[in-house]
Amino acid sequence: GESVGLHLPTLSVQEGDNSIINCAYSNSASDYFIWYKQESGKGPQFIIDIRSNMDKRQGQRVTVLLNKTVKHLSLQIAATQPGDSAVYFCAENIERGQAGTALIFGKGTTLSVSS
Amino acid sequence: EADIYQTPRYLVIGTGKKITLECSQTMGHDKMYWYQQDPGMELHLIHYSYGVNSTEKGDLSSESTVSRIRTEHFPLTLESARPSHTSQYLCASCSGLSREKLFFGSGTQLSVL
Repeated sequence: GESVGLHLPTLSVQEGDNSIINCAYSNSASDYFIWYKQESGKGPQFIIDIRSNMDKRQGQRVTVLLNKTVKHLSLQIAATQPGDSAVYFCAENIERGQAGTALIFGKGTTLSVSS
Repeated sequence: EADIYQTPRYLVIGTGKKITLECSQTMGHDKMYWYQQDPGMELHLIHYSYGVNSTEKGDLSSESTVSRIRTEHFPLTLESARPSHTSQYLCASCSGLSREKLFFGSGTQLSVL
């Protein structure tokens, strides 16, 4: 079936380091991808998105890279801060025919930032 | 800041009870979704709606049902709760465009004893 997965369940970094969180997706027809951040006890929060006609997109301290050849997505966080500690999910937009589209989520990577 | 609200925030009930989880959004979004999430795990789509009187089942089989009588309201009902229903339930919405980011509520943590 269709699925979106992440390579590592946990990632520990020091404050100030750059973080890279990876995601592999399986549906080559997906044309829209999103990264979400979920803090404990809260709903997922949008970080950044990218369409399949792009390879890279930058936001504030975050960059998303898309490699359609190997169906790989990554989130880079510059100068990681303790407030970045959370679970990060990638999601892909799946066409569902007449029912339209829906986001399918990967398993999540827990980022821990130590001071 | 997304204007999507879920109540209750936490719910502990006994087996066999009927419950309704509420979800409301004030953004006028046509599309609404329910996801189920176990601790530390991915979100699984269980229901979604593309507008009033439209409901679809998601990828994860669920014994819950939903209704969409008003644009802003998308409640989820369990007719007879069981311990296997213990989980976090997240509601989300987005506008009518086909590729849009979802805005999530804070979730309802359900525990069935």
